[in-house]
Amino acid sequence: DVKVTQSSRYLVKRTGEKVFLECVQDMDHENMFWYRQDPGLGLRLIYFSYDVKMKEKGDIPEGYSVSREKKERFSLILESASTNQTSMYLCASRELAGGGTQYFGPGTRLTVL
Amino acid sequence: ILNVEQSPQSLHVQEGDSTNFTCSFPSSNFYALHWYRWETAKSPEALFVMTLNGDEKKKGRISATLNTKEGYSYLYIKGSQPEDSATYLCAGLSGGGADGLTFGKGTHLIIQP
Repeated sequence: DVKVTQSSRYLVKRTGEKVFLECVQDMDHENMFWYRQDPGLGLRLIYFSYDVKMKEKGDIPEGYSVSREKKERFSLILESASTNQTSMYLCASRELAGGGTQYFGPGTRLTVL
Repeated sequence: ILNVEQSPQSLHVQEGDSTNFTCSFPSSNFYALHWYRWETAKSPEALFVMTLNGDEKKKGRISATLNTKEGYSYLYIKGSQPEDSATYLCAGLSGGGADGLTFGKGTHLIIQP
């Protein structure tokens, strides 16, 4: 079974803190993704990566950056957390072969106070 | 940004009844259409990945159809059971298939015993 894990299920941070959300997948997938989910807005793509050290902006990249130093690990970074970044964050991975099933992690519920 | 729309937003169905809901997407530059089921406190789980016009896929009591020429997909649930209660997400993939999925806002299905 494909496994995508995220470092924390729940996280509480203060405004202005630097926040790291970590994601690891064990299926040697090339593509990895970060989404956020907010009520009424659905899942929105923040950033994605199709290879080590490669990154592409998604639909809502402002206020975020990412790092992919190893194929299995994709990190989302909030350089200076703000209250409007309170959300559920989901990581996913997928084979590079287009159209393949995307596998999601359990999510991290981040609260920024 | 690909525009993926789902309807209805929410649906209450009596146990044992059959139901269906819709996903619409731009027909130009289409690559693939995904359906996911998302239960509370769990990760989104892939149901179907569909790429060809006229595709029909089935998994137990759940099936889906795809019309890429007119830009829509239907998800059907036959004989609804309480465990079918979840949010059903569809997501589109365009271009060469390496990008992130664009999700609709989901259909929240509640099965009433």
